[in-house]
Amino acid sequence: NAGVTQTPKFQVLKTGQSMTLQCAQDMNHEYMSWYRQDPGMGLRLIHYSVGAGITDQGEVPNGYNVSRSTTEDFPLRLLSAAPSQTSVYFCASSARQGDYGYTFGSGTRLTVV
Amino acid sequence: GENVGLHLPTLSVQEGDNSIINCAYSNSASDYFIWYKQESGKGPQFIIDIRSNMDKRQGQRVTVLLNKTVKHLSLQIAATQPGDSAVYFCAENFGYSTLTFGKGTMLLVSP
Repeated sequence: NAGVTQTPKFQVLKTGQSMTLQCAQDMNHEYMSWYRQDPGMGLRLIHYSVGAGITDQGEVPNGYNVSRSTTEDFPLRLLSAAPSQTSVYFCASSARQGDYGYTFGSGTRLTVV
Repeated sequence: GENVGLHLPTLSVQEGDNSIINCAYSNSASDYFIWYKQESGKGPQFIIDIRSNMDKRQGQRVTVLLNKTVKHLSLQIAATQPGDSAVYFCAENFGYSTLTFGKGTMLLVSP
């Protein structure tokens, strides 16, 4: 049982480049979300999804897109990377919205130069 | 991540001591609280939760205390071990909204 798998673990981008951070879970969880973590700050919600085909914005959605075509996958797209998006990104899932015992992935460390 | 601990309050204890990590939450209407542990280079891991109709809940070596009057949450770890060294976050929830995470406290346990 792999839980929540994030790829890649590390990535360096140039300003203006685009990329997709992958997140997959094998627990048949309905709820999935993306957070970013910056030094000295709590986790901040970017986007979330309560099921396949349904997504919504979190606290800091600007510059990011998501889609949820399957229950298992919830990719996060950076449209045009900026240095302010340098951060560690975490994907989390739970059985359903309202279940807050999230399972987190191990994170993707992104640096935008 | 490795840089999470920068700028965080730090609690340093000796192995075997009891640790108390505090958290002030922001929303007086929050009705559910969680403590997460984050080890270096890993994602947060659920430790224990408590609902607002309780003021204390115990797990294995951990106890969470909730004081709604002053909007304060604490995590007590008994007989702290080096493996407990990590950043600890509290998180709060109101209704059916998403979780709001605190900034975290770094716990350093010396052998």
